[in-house]
Amino acid sequence: EAGVTQFPSHSVIEKGQTVTLRCDPISGHDNLYWYRRVMGKEIKFLLHFVKESKQDESGMPNNRFLAERTGGTYSTLKVQPAELEDSGVYFCASSQEALSSYNSPLHFGNGTRLTVT
Amino acid sequence: GQNIDQPTEMTATEGAIVQINCTYQTSGFNGLFWYQQHAGEAPTFLSYNVLDGLEEKGRFSSFLSRSKGYSYLLLKELQMKDSASYLCAVKILDSSYKLIFGSGTRLLVRP
Repeated sequence: EAGVTQFPSHSVIEKGQTVTLRCDPISGHDNLYWYRRVMGKEIKFLLHFVKESKQDESGMPNNRFLAERTGGTYSTLKVQPAELEDSGVYFCASSQEALSSYNSPLHFGNGTRLTVT
Repeated sequence: GQNIDQPTEMTATEGAIVQINCTYQTSGFNGLFWYQQHAGEAPTFLSYNVLDGLEEKGRFSSFLSRSKGYSYLLLKELQMKDSASYLCAVKILDSSYKLIFGSGTRLLVRP
């Protein structure tokens, strides 16, 4: 089966511009997560979709970040306007069962490396 | 707050055994994952512990002590391809279930 795919793999934009990241989860996975790793720090939770609904968006940094998952398939994460501190690697992950299920690992994509200059 | 500590870097020799430790202070503990991540690639699932004790899976084993807030990942018969970052992640329940990651341990395997 195809894994979690993310596009683009790299993006370099200027401060104030807009960027949209895309994630295609594993087919049939209702749970989709966005995580972010800022340089030198740990991977941090951003938000969680169950199908098309936002289950938990407590990790979203501010209202410059907008995540959508129309139709419950792929998801997009838009940053508008981008700031320097938004630079980092954005990971998407999916799972068939919710994390509440025993031993339900997340399957991660390769990430999108975002650089804001 | 939630806190997970791992050594930043470790070096070991091909064929040897290495133990990567992880200590955590979290609320709402619901299990602990270990992930492997090669540079520029996706983190991949290695193991999951929710009860105290040792889980063995081939060359890799993971141990958990909930009372001590401690886990380790044991890698045996090290191979060059094991050079990677190893991420300790605790599953917690607050507003929902989510993973809290440590900063990762970069393991270098030398010939």
